[in-house]
Amino acid sequence: DVKVTQSSRYLVKRTGEKVFLECVQDMDHENMFWYRQDPGLGLRLIYFSYDVKMKEKGDIPEGYSVSREKKERFSLILESASTNQTSMYLCASSSVAGTDYQETQYFGPGTRLLVL
Amino acid sequence: DAKTTQPPSMDCAEGRAANLPCNHSTISGNEYVYWYRQIHSQGPQYIIHGLKNNETNEMASLIITEDRKSSTLILPHATLRDTAVYYCIVRVPLRTGANNLFFGTGTRLTVIP
Repeated sequence: DVKVTQSSRYLVKRTGEKVFLECVQDMDHENMFWYRQDPGLGLRLIYFSYDVKMKEKGDIPEGYSVSREKKERFSLILESASTNQTSMYLCASSSVAGTDYQETQYFGPGTRLLVL
Repeated sequence: DAKTTQPPSMDCAEGRAANLPCNHSTISGNEYVYWYRQIHSQGPQYIIHGLKNNETNEMASLIITEDRKSSTLILPHATLRDTAVYYCIVRVPLRTGANNLFFGTGTRLTVIP
């Protein structure tokens, strides 16, 4: 059973604070992703990583950074939290399987962040 | 520019089959169709995926039309725990082996006792 865990289910922070969201997967997956989910906007990709220390920007990277020092762990950092970063943050991981690249992403439970 | 189109909501009686349709008329020839669901306040849960043949697993069946422009997810015996938002997804490649998922607005399935 694939397990993706996120450090917090709910988080309340103040504007300007530095915020760390952590994600851990136990399936030795190469890929890890950070999305945010907002009503009416679906999921939007912030960053993803395809290997240790490797990262690529998604659709909305502004105001965020990421870190992947170990294969199982992918951190999302809000350098200076703002109210428009209030959202549900979802981490996912996946493995590239075989030659069909049937890449299936498995999600964590999500972190609901409120920035005041 | 919607990649998939789904009805916003559906009801299903407990114990009956739930059939959730999805249109994906712009899908490319080698792109898989994926289905996820999201129960309130939880992360999305993978259900099933397919390319052109019908697929079945312990959770659901997936029927894909021959022209691949639409598909139907079937939950054979819906239970109250199947109440969720169901997303039909066509992915956009990021790089080899990694894809960006576009969830859209999905179908809110309510299973009625």
